[in-house]
Amino acid sequence: ETGVTQSPTHLIKTRGQQVTLRCSSQSGHNTVSWYQQALGQGPQFIFQYYREEENGRGNFPPRFSGLQFPNYSSELNVNALELDDSALYLCASSLPGISGNTIYFGEGSWLTVV
Amino acid sequence: QQQVKQSPQSLIVQKGGISIINCAYENTAFDYFPWYQQFPGKGPALLIAIRPDVSEKKEGRFTISFNKSAKQFSLHIMDSQPGDSATYFCAATYTGGGNKLTFGTGTQLKVEL
Repeated sequence: ETGVTQSPTHLIKTRGQQVTLRCSSQSGHNTVSWYQQALGQGPQFIFQYYREEENGRGNFPPRFSGLQFPNYSSELNVNALELDDSALYLCASSLPGISGNTIYFGEGSWLTVV
Repeated sequence: QQQVKQSPQSLIVQKGGISIINCAYENTAFDYFPWYQQFPGKGPALLIAIRPDVSEKKEGRFTISFNKSAKQFSLHIMDSQPGDSATYFCAATYTGGGNKLTFGTGTQLKVEL
């Protein structure tokens, strides 16, 4: 167990809808990152939050947004869902700072857009 | 632009054999190279990681070999077991990158009896 919990585990949405995915990070980890993993692909970095501020963003459009709360939990919001948004969404937590701090992943949320 | 290239895409190894997965990177700023193991329906789990100041790191049956000049690194799984059957991802990040990982495309390993 990594101590990173995500919800929901599976969900189906219709194109054009909005979705919110949630993540509870490992105790003490104040840096949370979100990744999108399409079927058969490696995870792609969406963005990262540190102390409730976005701190780095990958090549994803603005309709992907997030929040981090004072308890370090986080949300990923996706608006105007497209079929290509169907993927496993992974939350990862870590301590901030130098590279190499162990990054722990949750089990992910499977999103299917129909 | 794919910054970490991984091969092979799939690999079948006999029980007890050696599994070898290779990765190459482009960004010379990368200074931390982890390998993740992912089972179906699960999130990636850190397996082993290396920094470019060493050429090899071994943990149990898992070894990373690192060639800084060639910008390549590889994972060797010795005495491969059926329980090692999973998808393996190499990744890379850099100091100042905020722990943002750039992943390879993955290698699906099957260890046969």
